[in-house]
Amino acid sequence: AQTVTQSQPEMSVQEAETVTLSCTYDTSENNYYLFWYKQPPSRQMILVIRQEAYKQQNATENRFSVNFQKAAKSFSLKISDSQLGDTAMYFCAFMNRDDKIIFGKGTRLHILP
Amino acid sequence: DTAVSQTPKYLVTQMGNDKSIKCEQNLGHDTMYWYKQDSKKFLKIMFSYNNKELIINETVPNRFSPKSPDKAHLNLHINSLELGDSAVYFCASSHSSYQGPLHFGNGTRLTVT
Repeated sequence: AQTVTQSQPEMSVQEAETVTLSCTYDTSENNYYLFWYKQPPSRQMILVIRQEAYKQQNATENRFSVNFQKAAKSFSLKISDSQLGDTAMYFCAFMNRDDKIIFGKGTRLHILP
Repeated sequence: DTAVSQTPKYLVTQMGNDKSIKCEQNLGHDTMYWYKQDSKKFLKIMFSYNNKELIINETVPNRFSPKSPDKAHLNLHINSLELGDSAVYFCASSHSSYQGPLHFGNGTRLTVT
């Protein structure tokens, strides 16, 4: 069975610092997608970044980047120069070739002024 | 034990039909949600219920009607299905305060032909 694990239920960092959210997953498949979603208090889900497993290059989106370690099945999210607006729940998600998506339990991130 | 379960997993139907998706959670949560995931994997919140009361109702066509018989169930009924309704629909639940993490179901893939 495919699983997604986020080992950090909650984290706090000072504004402007860099923070890394961890995510590990388990699958026997070779081709798949990985995502990080941000969920602000509105409960909307915002796609932050995506990574295709066949691409070795780590995906980046402005201040957001990932460290994708396929062999280790690790997909961590790094937020650089963190801002107050980054305060949210962050979900790691895995999608297989059948488009079935599995979410982790989430990490609550607090950016402190 | 499945925490948030949705049925059916797959639903294929023709335009103009009426269909329902069921969702049940056994986590004792008092808030439940419906999200729609589009082809680009963006997740949009549709509805949220707290203790059987509607608290979030995003801009969703009137053809979509959520029904919550009790706080453990939130069903989604769709009338007069259209091609654009094809998507994956996710149910989720949480404790009412924003402190609680969101637990997702496995999704229902709806295909309208």
